[in-house]
Amino acid sequence: GAVVSQHPSRVICKSGTSVKIECRSLDFQATTMFWYRQFPKQSLMLMATSNEGSKATYEQGVEKDKFLINHASLTLSTLTVTSAHPEDSSFYICSAKQGAWEQYFGPGTRLTVT
Amino acid sequence: GQQLNQSPQSMFIQEGEDVSMNCTSSSIFNTWLWYKQDPGEGPVLLIALYKAGELTSNGRLTAQFGITRKDSFLNISASIPSDVGIYFCAGPSFGNEKLTFGTGTRLTIIP
Repeated sequence: GAVVSQHPSRVICKSGTSVKIECRSLDFQATTMFWYRQFPKQSLMLMATSNEGSKATYEQGVEKDKFLINHASLTLSTLTVTSAHPEDSSFYICSAKQGAWEQYFGPGTRLTVT
Repeated sequence: GQQLNQSPQSMFIQEGEDVSMNCTSSSIFNTWLWYKQDPGEGPVLLIALYKAGELTSNGRLTAQFGITRKDSFLNISASIPSDVGIYFCAGPSFGNEKLTFGTGTRLTIIP
């Protein structure tokens, strides 16, 4: 149980274009999902909290107009990186909350902006 | 903000050895979670701890919730090659569903 998928696993896009990443909870419903970013050899950095049916809550320093989050159903949250730049290249990971505190993570999406 | 410091930062061990790592916080946590991350993958939840003093096992892994509520320990017995990876502790900020992640302990097995 508690399986989370992400799509795509890897994406290469050109600077200035937008990229959408999907996060799905496959065997449970998640009213709350989270989006993280991870740089090489570093820990996970929370970008935003995604709540079903309401606006996402962004962490300080994360541009909400650049990283658009939509949590349209209890099993799907999407992150759209708009007008991507090379510095947006990173490993993006989502998680879905089940129970009081446990978060179950997707396999991650490697974004490369050329 | 809250910080979780993990020690050691990295470990180089031989197959079959036991492993111990810990996680300390500057503030109290009510829950401790231990995750393992393989290269290029998302973290996988290993053990969840909910009560001070609690000792919980998952196969060869054992984790303990420190009685001060400011630390937690993870032990791996008889390590095998698939134990290689980065281990993260994590805990929710008090009254908040967001998780704070530790700095990570990278485990490498020397042939």
